[in-house]
Amino acid sequence: DTEVTQTPKHLVMGMTNKKSLKCEQHMGHRAMYWYKQKAKKPPELMFVYSYEKLSINESVPSRFSPECPNSSLLNLHLHALQPEDSALYLCASSQDPREAELFFGEGSRLTVL
Amino acid sequence: GENVEQHPSTLSVQEGDSAVIKCTYSDSASNYFPWYKQELGKRPQLIIDIRSNVGEKKDQRIAVTLNKTAKHFSLHITETQPEDSAVYFCAASGESYIPTFGRGTSLIVHP
Repeated sequence: DTEVTQTPKHLVMGMTNKKSLKCEQHMGHRAMYWYKQKAKKPPELMFVYSYEKLSINESVPSRFSPECPNSSLLNLHLHALQPEDSALYLCASSQDPREAELFFGEGSRLTVL
Repeated sequence: GENVEQHPSTLSVQEGDSAVIKCTYSDSASNYFPWYKQELGKRPQLIIDIRSNVGEKKDQRIAVTLNKTAKHFSLHITETQPEDSAVYFCAASGESYIPTFGRGTSLIVHP
């Protein structure tokens, strides 16, 4: 299995809802990432987990809460989002935190009403 | 931190022509330079990469060149096809191992 799988593919939520995005990889990669991407813009780094520990938080608002339950799974919990948070949320993994080659999932397209 | 500039922002070519996208970086410690292709609604996919101990790398119609002295690297696509139409992102990473992306180039190949 050489894929990063993200669910759901699409999510529509209101500003008062609580939802979660999920990411899974079975490549044995030890670093996992959350990126936010707006249309025709580059991916913006949000969080990095290295060996299941949060190693980088790029000053992301607390309404985004990451979680890494084990080495294969990465979640992004969403609460009280704003319409400007609507974007494509990409999960990625790399073999090692010192390996810069990223494998991206297909993304979760989030719309906040 | 690293800063990556990418040009042009849009590139329109006729099928069969060549396309060149250029990037410059600021951190001389950067040593890994990937290129990602992102089709509309899809994930960024690594199409080619180069490390700082190599000056050029080729894979069929795609090549990447690196000039460490000038701190710039370029993507070359020959014999372009309509399916090459996409947004292309360059990136550079170094001591932090986290890639810094360029702003992207929207390549349009007209049949």
